[in-house]
Amino acid sequence: GESVGLHLPTLSVQEGDNSIINCAYSNSASDYFIWYKQESGKGPQFIIDIRSNMDKRQGQRVTVLLNKTVKHLSLQIAATQPGDSAVYFCAEITRGGKLIFGQGTELSVKP
Amino acid sequence: DTAVSQTPKYLVTQMGNDKSIKCEQNLGHDTMYWYKQDSKKFLKIMFSYNNKELIINETVPNRFSPKSPDKAHLNLHINSLELGDSAVYFCASSGTPGGPGNIQYFGAGTRLSVL
Repeated sequence: GESVGLHLPTLSVQEGDNSIINCAYSNSASDYFIWYKQESGKGPQFIIDIRSNMDKRQGQRVTVLLNKTVKHLSLQIAATQPGDSAVYFCAEITRGGKLIFGQGTELSVKP
Repeated sequence: DTAVSQTPKYLVTQMGNDKSIKCEQNLGHDTMYWYKQDSKKFLKIMFSYNNKELIINETVPNRFSPKSPDKAHLNLHINSLELGDSAVYFCASSGTPGGPGNIQYFGAGTRLSVL
């Protein structure tokens, strides 16, 4: 079956440090992956995406890495700020057009 | 100005009641979705409509009935509410049915509590 999961349910980092959130997926046929950020009381918000023909994609303070060999996805946040505190989800889009979310990692940033 | 808006934000009701959640998007998108988020934050798709046509229908009890009067609206009606229906329900929309390069925009959620 299809599943997208995260290695760690919680992550606590010091303000200013870099954060790395990991994700494992099992559907090797998926060709598109997305990271979402969900703040308390809000809906998921798009952060960055990556296609399966790419290994790395950079945004503003965020970088997504894709390792298709081991079916692993990671989100790196540089110079983590208190406003980055949220639950982060990786998700894959299947060929049928469904968005399948992983478990979610709660990131806490300590001042 | 909210792109995807859901009402109500909170819904508290008794078991056995029937309730509806409304969703509207002003992004001009063709596709709308309903997701359920449980107490462990797990998000799972329930339904998807493209131009008022149902295209995704996950294994959801038939007590849940989505209705799309036009492509800007997707409502969710729930009959005979059960305790296990308590969750946060999110509406989302996207330009095309979940293809690459397509981003889903989410509403703020409706927190449903069944007592």
